[in-house]
Amino acid sequence: QQQVKQSPQSLIVQKGGISIINCAYENTAFDYFPWYQQFPGKGPALLIAIRPDVSEKKEGRFTISFNKSAKQFSLHIMDSQPGDSATYFCAAIMGGGADGLTFGKGTHLIIQP
Amino acid sequence: NAGVTQTPKFRVLKTGQSMTLLCAQDMNHEYMYWYRQDPGMGLRLIHYSVGEGTTAKGEVPDGYNVSRLKKQNFLLGLESAAPSQTSVYFCASSYTLNDPRTGQPQHFGDGTRLSIL
Repeated sequence: QQQVKQSPQSLIVQKGGISIINCAYENTAFDYFPWYQQFPGKGPALLIAIRPDVSEKKEGRFTISFNKSAKQFSLHIMDSQPGDSATYFCAAIMGGGADGLTFGKGTHLIIQP
Repeated sequence: NAGVTQTPKFRVLKTGQSMTLLCAQDMNHEYMYWYRQDPGMGLRLIHYSVGEGTTAKGEVPDGYNVSRLKKQNFLLGLESAAPSQTSVYFCASSYTLNDPRTGQPQHFGDGTRLSIL
């Protein structure tokens, strides 16, 4: 049973456009939702994260929108740049984090110049 | 400050061989994790540890063993390697999320690419 579903699997966006990646979760015990960015040959690195008591969080060009009732959250990348081309993972974690992250399957994002 | 260091970076094994992957962190984190990443599957948790001397099973633990004899090190062992264990293995570490020092939930190493023939 996949607890975090991510879409789309791949995404191509023109430079300057908005990239949108969506995730849905099933376990209501999740209480922390990070997004990770991964470049080829590297480990995932935290991009931005949100707790369910907040509906939106913005850091620079990156915004998380969170809908607790629908159990959905999304990542928006404004003014997408070629350097944003990477694989993005949404994830969820519960409690103090001891049980590890549950990841979505990832979105391969390509920003065309 | 190196963060999370994984060794080796690459390895090729024959079916049935055994090996140990080493993860070391210098951030004094309590929690450590081993994940595997396969194409189209995201990252899946193999085993984790919430402190020195403790380990627990994750989502896909079969065929692997772990040990955490020192707080800074977390070892992942393959007892008898199988082609299905061909993957990229990532180690991560963190404080508990309830710790005010937490800057991010988990810091990841750059992975060990393991091929089993």
